[in-house]
Amino acid sequence: AQKVTQAQTEISVVEKEDVTLDCVYETRDTTYYLFWYKQPPSGELVFLIRRNSFDEQNEISGRYSWNFQKSTSSFNFTITASQVVDSAVYFCALSLRSSGSARQLTFGSGTQLTVLP
Amino acid sequence: GAVVSQHPSRVICKSGTSVKIECRSLDFQATTMFWYRQFPKQSLMLMATSNEGSKATYEQGVEKDKFLINHASLTLSTLTVTSAHPEDSSFYICSARIAAGNTIYFGEGSWLTVV
Repeated sequence: AQKVTQAQTEISVVEKEDVTLDCVYETRDTTYYLFWYKQPPSGELVFLIRRNSFDEQNEISGRYSWNFQKSTSSFNFTITASQVVDSAVYFCALSLRSSGSARQLTFGSGTQLTVLP
Repeated sequence: GAVVSQHPSRVICKSGTSVKIECRSLDFQATTMFWYRQFPKQSLMLMATSNEGSKATYEQGVEKDKFLINHASLTLSTLTVTSAHPEDSSFYICSARIAAGNTIYFGEGSWLTVV
């Protein structure tokens, strides 16, 4: 069975600070996808990134960056120069790629990020 | 991009009644749809996986007679909460996997309040 752990329940930062959200996963499969989603108070899930287990290259998208380390089974998410609009719950998730798998997502417990003005 | 639409976004129903939530893939065919439930300040928990034209696969602890899932077409799955109780009040969110890919798209979610 797979598991996703987000140890940080809540984080508060002041606007313009950088913040890193941690994600550690467990799976016996060698092929899988990792995701990050943002959930604002309205509830909808906003897709941020999908990472293939074979691709350990770090990615940057604007103020967002992701650090994938297979050696430590971590997929951390950093927001640079945080803004108030970044306040939301962020979920890390795992999906297996194995054939025949329905590929449902296993979610972490989420991290509530509050960016203070 | 691909869009998954849920309806209604908010619904209030009386205890003992049934309520149906629809999940539609608007511009792609979804062979597989997933239904999640999220209680306040908690993570999303998978309830069931529905495949078009076959019975849904329920996760352990989810009552299939209470949460009826129908996936009659490649673009529509429905979740019916039967004989709803206040403890069924929750945020229900669906997702759909495009038929020929690995990307999963989420609906906007539906807030259910049972009074």
